[in-house]
Parts: sequence; structure tokens; C-alpha cells
Amino acid sequence: EAQVTQNPRYLITVTGKKLTVTCSQNMNHEYMSWYRQDPGLGLRQIYYSMNVEVTDKGDVPEGYKVSRKEKRNFPLILESPSPNQTSLYFCASSLNSGANVLTFGAGSRLTVL
Amino acid sequence: AQSVTQPDIHITVSEGASLELRCNYSYGATPYLFWYVQSPGQGLQLLLKYFSGDTLVQGIKGFEAEFKRSQSSFNLRKPSVHWSDAAEYFCAVGLTRGDKIIFGKGTRLHILP
Repeated sequence: EAQVTQNPRYLITVTGKKLTVTCSQNMNHEYMSWYRQDPGLGLRQIYYSMNVEVTDKGDVPEGYKVSRKEKRNFPLILESPSPNQTSLYFCASSLNSGANVLTFGAGSRLTVL
Repeated sequence: AQSVTQPDIHITVSEGASLELRCNYSYGATPYLFWYVQSPGQGLQLLLKYFSGDTLVQGIKGFEAEFKRSQSSFNLRKPSVHWSDAAEYFCAVGLTRGDKIIFGKGTRLHILP
């Protein structure tokens, strides 16, 4: 089944404790992206990647890092999480363009205490 | 600046009634247009898309949307809603010149029995 898989789905952590949210897609998509969803703000793009070893900032990149060492994986790294990063995070992928149809993961709900 | 506006944060309709969710965008070129649905605890699922051609597009679950260039709108419609349509709906615009998608803030649909 074609899908985007995120882990963990739920995580509670404390301020400053590094964490990684993994994202993997099995569709051979070139484009991958991370979004955060907050009430009243909709979806905001954090980082995106057009292909392996090519990443760029979205609209709200502060406090996040990403890497794209393999085509299928696009982990989101929070080096020193803070409470304002408490949010619902979505990974998404698209065949070859950031303007095209996105396939989303199920989401990862992160709480930073 | 490019933007997507969904004027209604919440909409409540009775089961079996018709539905129209509004979406307006601001963009200097013809965009790609999308509607996504997010059921509780789920990721976003594509309902329908418009790239070119016939301005009335059909999607899954009995939804349709009409692109009106003169009004910069892409409203979503369904003739008769079902209780399972209760969800949050996001309009999105693919910026062909910017190679990214921007999302509206969403409309939450409530269904009365």
C-alpha cells in the first residue's frame, strides 16, 4: 500500500531533550515536506526537500532540522525542544513537485513540557 | 502576497442537507487547486484537484468543486451530507511559480442528526 509513515504518533517530552520524528514513504517520491498544524493557524510548512541531499526552509523553520540522506526518509529533528513546539506534525510527499498532490502521513502529536 | 482564505471557521448543517464550503485565493497566475479533508485523528486526504480544463471537478465521497477564475474562488459542494462527512476541510493552492502549496486555515464541518 502506498503510504507515508510517521513515528512516533504520540510523544510527550521535556524541554531541551532532543528528539527525532521519522518519516518514510514507499512511493519513490522526490518531494517531501514537514508541516505543523496548530488551532486557528492551519498548516504551516517547516522544511521541504526536492530530492536527496536537497533541503530548504519553509515558513516556520526555527528550532527544527531535517536531513534527506535517502529518497524514502525525511526525519524531523528537534535539537532542543521548547513548549512552543507543542503541536501536531505532518509529513507529506509528492511525486516531483511541491505544487502537486501531497500524500500525508497520519500525524505525530508532540507535547513539550 | 499569495494567500488562501476560507471565510468560515465552523459550519453546521443537518444530515441530508446540501453543503457549500467557500475558498478564495490570491495569486498572480493560474494555480493548481485542491481540497483536502481531515477526519479526527487522521492525516489529510485529497478530495479533489483542479489543474486545467473543465472548471467543475468531481472528487471522492460525492464532493465536487467549481473553479471560477473571475472570482478567484474554488468552492466545495455536496448535494446531501452524511454524518460521516463531519471533519475539517482544507482548501489549498499550488503555486506553480513557487513550487509550493499553501493551505487555508480550514473549515470544520459539523453535522446535525
